Amino acid sequence: GESVGLHLPTLSVQEGDNSIINCAYSNSASDYFIWYKQESGKGPQFIIDIRSNMDKRQGQRVTVLLNKTVKHLSLQIAATQPGDSAVYFCAENKGRNQGGKLIFGQGTELSVKP
Amino acid sequence: GAVVSQHPSWVICKSGTSVKIECRSLDFQATTMFWYRQFPKQSLMLMATSNEGSKATYEQGVEKDKFLINHASLTLSTLTVTSAHPEDSSFYICSARGAQGIYNEQFFGPGTRLTVL
Repeated sequence: GESVGLHLPTLSVQEGDNSIINCAYSNSASDYFIWYKQESGKGPQFIIDIRSNMDKRQGQRVTVLLNKTVKHLSLQIAATQPGDSAVYFCAENKGRNQGGKLIFGQGTELSVKP
Repeated sequence: GAVVSQHPSWVICKSGTSVKIECRSLDFQATTMFWYRQFPKQSLMLMATSNEGSKATYEQGVEKDKFLINHASLTLSTLTVTSAHPEDSSFYICSARGAQGIYNEQFFGPGTRLTVL
């Protein structure tokens, strides 16, 4: 069935390095994707989103890239800080026919070493 | 951003009892609320979509008679886990979305940790 998945379940980086978290999706008709950060015991927190009419979108220290050809998106975090340690999820908005519900990927746990 | 609260933040109950979890949008009107379940080290799994004043739409495999959802007002949705069993122990998270459309941001609550003994 349809799914949104991640390539790497865990990622460990040194403080100050850049982090790249990947996500694959299976529904080529999907047109809206969101990245969330979830700290332990808390609800997801919005980071950045991207529509399918864009290839790249930048925020503060974060960049999301969308490759529709291979159905892949990534989240890049610049100058990773200890406070970035969390689990990161990509989510796919299923569109109007499904009430705009979100389907979450499996998640990547990011660990930042000081 | 908008604030969504959940109550209680954690609950422990005996097997066979029912537990009600509340989800409130504090500073906006939520025409749609979503309920998710998350097991340890796993992703969020959508359980149901709830529109104010309508019956909830459940995802495949989610028992609607076990997980009762009510969305009676634009600021409150409740999830009742009926006849809870240890396998229902999980982290339950709600999200709320305003009336601006399906691409409007979903704001997530802090979650409720349910432990069934």
